[in-house]
Amino acid sequence: DAGVIQSPRHEVTEMGQEVTLRCKPISGHDYLFWYRQTMMRGLELLIYFNNNVPIDDSGMPEDRFSAKMPNASFSTLKIQPSEPRDSAVYFCASSFRRDSPGNTIYFGEGSWLTVV
Amino acid sequence: QQPVQSPQAVILREGEDAVINCSSSKALYSVHWYRQKHGEAPVFLMILLKGGEQKGHDKISASFNEKKQQSSLYLTASQLSYSGTYFCGTEGKGGDKIIFGKGTRLHILP
Repeated sequence: DAGVIQSPRHEVTEMGQEVTLRCKPISGHDYLFWYRQTMMRGLELLIYFNNNVPIDDSGMPEDRFSAKMPNASFSTLKIQPSEPRDSAVYFCASSFRRDSPGNTIYFGEGSWLTVV
Repeated sequence: QQPVQSPQAVILREGEDAVINCSSSKALYSVHWYRQKHGEAPVFLMILLKGGEQKGHDKISASFNEKKQQSSLYLTASQLSYSGTYFCGTEGKGGDKIIFGKGTRLHILP
């Protein structure tokens, strides 16, 4: 079975440019999470979706960040305009029936973003 | 809201034991433990759901004290392959999102 698929794996961009990160969750999973990882803050939850609907975006740092999930098999995280402090690894993760106990989340390989 | 992990880093020799602690300031429904190798995605180790529950996974086990809102991960007779960063993720009662701690870096020396 294919896991969570993220693209691009690595991106280097200049400050001010728009960045779009993509995620394909595991088929059948109804929850999708976006996390950001830095040395200082660890794994931060940015936003999560249930059945394609955003449930909690309180972790989104500011208006420069936006996320969408147009269908059950695709999500994007967009940063516009990007800044050097956005440099981090962005993980997408998915889960099945999170309201049932015993369900864990599965992470993609991550998108390594560097803003110069 | 973010759980607190301790210690921040541990260096062990192969064969030694380690304990990683995770505590939360809010009531918990579950605790999830993950291990991440450098440059890779976090990998699920185990989930604990009930107060006082303990689970084992080879020589890695964990406990969850619901009343104290704490969990501990125990690594027995550590192997070189145990090196990495360990994260606890906590889920509050009534919620369905997992918040992770900052991680504990574990380095095993031969």
